[in-house]
Amino acid sequence: QQQVKQSPQSLIVQKGGISIINCAYENTAFDYFPWYQQFPGKGPALLIAIRPDVSEKKEGRFTISFNKSAKQFSLHIMDSQPGDSATYFCAASTPVGGYQKVTFGTGTKLQVIP
Amino acid sequence: DAGVTQSPTHLIKTRGQQVTLRCSPKSGHDTVSWYQQALGQGPQFIFQYYEEEERQRGNFPDRFSGHQFPNYSSELNVNALLLGDSALYLCASSLSGGSGNTIYFGEGSWLTVV
Repeated sequence: QQQVKQSPQSLIVQKGGISIINCAYENTAFDYFPWYQQFPGKGPALLIAIRPDVSEKKEGRFTISFNKSAKQFSLHIMDSQPGDSATYFCAASTPVGGYQKVTFGTGTKLQVIP
Repeated sequence: DAGVTQSPTHLIKTRGQQVTLRCSPKSGHDTVSWYQQALGQGPQFIFQYYEEEERQRGNFPDRFSGHQFPNYSSELNVNALLLGDSALYLCASSLSGGSGNTIYFGEGSWLTVV
């Protein structure tokens, strides 16, 4: 029940195209859904996050769409650029005993080709 | 403002040996979590420290232990190393409290067990 399922495992998109990564969860106690971007040899960096009382959040070219009833959320990268090539992890957070426990998806390796 | 810093960045150990990894949290953060990230996988939660105590633990054996110091820095110790312990070990810091407090990751320590 703590799992976060992420797809696809890898994604190739042409420059200027839209990249879409999907995640699904089971645990309704999750109350915060961040996305992390990780470049090779680096630690994950927070990209954008959403709470379940909001259906969409946009920051620049990055948008999270959230479907609470379906327990699914997705990351859309508009006008994808070669610099966006990285591994993206969705995550879900739940308060446990007063602290924040984060469960990560398995990651999507995005390659944006010129 | 320094972010999360980890040391060493890379190390090679032999099976059966012990290793200590170190982490300094982002300034102002009081909570440190450790994650193990195997190649091509998402980060797996090992444990979290707050007020020098282990608050929660993931599904890792007792060979994995840690410590938090009064200045909030932390150490991860792994005893009796196995080949399967080879991974990127990530330290993450945050402010205590409920979900929504951003988790910041360090660059990680690459451990290779031979």
